[in-house]
Amino acid sequence: SSELTQDPAVSVALGQTVRITCQGDTLRSFYASWYQQKPGQAPVLVIFAKNNRPSGIPDRFSGSSSGNTASLTITGAQAEDEADYYCNSRDSSGGGVFGGGTKVTVL
Amino acid sequence: QVQLQESGPGLVKPSQTLSLTCTVSGGSITSGAYYWSWIRQHPGKGLQWIGYIYYSGSAYYNSSLKSRVAISVDTSKNQFSLKLTSVTAADTALYYCARDLASAMVSSFDIWGQGTMVIVSS
Repeated sequence: SSELTQDPAVSVALGQTVRITCQGDTLRSFYASWYQQKPGQAPVLVIFAKNNRPSGIPDRFSGSSSGNTASLTITGAQAEDEADYYCNSRDSSGGGVFGGGTKVTVL
Repeated sequence: QVQLQESGPGLVKPSQTLSLTCTVSGGSITSGAYYWSWIRQHPGKGLQWIGYIYYSGSAYYNSSLKSRVAISVDTSKNQFSLKLTSVTAADTALYYCARDLASAMVSSFDIWGQGTMVIVSS
C-alpha cells in the first residue's frame, strides 16, 4: 500500500521558519495537501495542491514539492501554529493516504 | 457555508457493525465537484483514510479495510453513511466525515465534521 512518511516532531523558535517534510512515491505523481490539527479539534486544510492556501489561512504557510518529497513551510512561526501537521495525497488506486503526522512545537 | 455532522452510536459491541451517518448542510451532496469521505483517528494517533463515495454511488475504499467497509449515499436526505462490519477493539477511534475535492490529481479535505468517537467494547 502507499505510504507517506513524516518526521514525528520538530521545534521552532517563535518568529523563525520551520519546514515539515512528507516523503512517498505517490508524491511523484500526485499533489500533496497539508492539514493542521490542534488538540481536541478536527483537522484544518492549510495547503492544497502543492501550494494553494484556502481562504483564511495566513500567508506564512506555504507548500512546495520536489521528486518524492513535499514540504510545508511556516515562515515566522507564531505560538498559535503549535499543532500536529499531516500531509495527504491521492494514491495510485485513486484513494487517499495520510502521513503519520508531525508535532510542531513553538519555543 | 457547507457543514458536515456525524451521527451514530458511540458504543458498539465486538463483532457487530459500526454504522455512522454524515449529514451535509448548506450545500448539495450531488455537487459533482466532491467526494464524500470517511476518515478515522485512533486515540493519540494519526489520520487514516477509510474511503469515499461520489454522489452517483461510486465508492472507493482503503484496501486494508475493504473487506469490512461499505459507504453509501442518500441524495434525498443529503447524507452519506459508513458501515464497518465485524468490529474489534482496534476499530475504536474518532470518526470524521469530510469533503474531498473530486480530482484525480489532488486529495484535499476542505470541510470536516467535528468527529464522533466510537468505542468498541462489550
